Amino acid sequence: EPEVTQTPSHQVTQMGQEVILRCVPISNHLYFYWYRQILGQKVEFLVSFYNNEISEKSEIFDDQFSVERPDGSNFTLKIRSTKLEDSAMYFCASVRTSVPGGGELFFGEGSRLTVL
Amino acid sequence: EDKVVQSPLSLVVHEGDTVTLNCSYEVTNFRSLLWYKQEKKAPTFLFMLTSSGIEKKSGRLSSILDKKELFSILNITATQTGDSAVYLCAGVSQGAQKLVFGQGTRLTINP
Repeated sequence: EPEVTQTPSHQVTQMGQEVILRCVPISNHLYFYWYRQILGQKVEFLVSFYNNEISEKSEIFDDQFSVERPDGSNFTLKIRSTKLEDSAMYFCASVRTSVPGGGELFFGEGSRLTVL
Repeated sequence: EDKVVQSPLSLVVHEGDTVTLNCSYEVTNFRSLLWYKQEKKAPTFLFMLTSSGIEKKSGRLSSILDKKELFSILNITATQTGDSAVYLCAGVSQGAQKLVFGQGTRLTINP
């Protein structure tokens, strides 16, 4: 069964360091997402990406965050200068159709980021 | 701002019991409501509901949407220990690209 894969599964970094989280979405999917879940809190939308550009982003997704699909398969989330409050589980997701309500969103296993 | 609220936040029952999980939503230009099961890490898809009153069923799980009262329920009959998980509900607006999640219901099934 096709799946969304994410690396690393866990990353520990010092405050102020840059972090890149990587995702390989399902191959025939067209829309890609990053969500995050701070421990004990809701899953929150960060950004959606379609046709090599951001289609929607939340208030959380400020100038410290960026996304990229550098080679047609990987989908990356970069945090330029991490803060303590960036510590969370980051989920990548993808969907084949035009909006998530038109089809199920497939989530990866997540990358746990711990900022010290 | 769109909002999804789930209740109860936590539920502990015995194996074999039937449970009902609730989800109410305030979503502008509502399109659909989705249920996910989150065991350890990744949420896994259960149901997508777009029409009122039509029950979706998968084995012992079923779900229904009420677009007039703006809520959905997820029923699990004859619960098993493997049903222990956090159940997430999420709403989607027309034309939007994001899911708005509730805080989840942590369900624990004791043998």
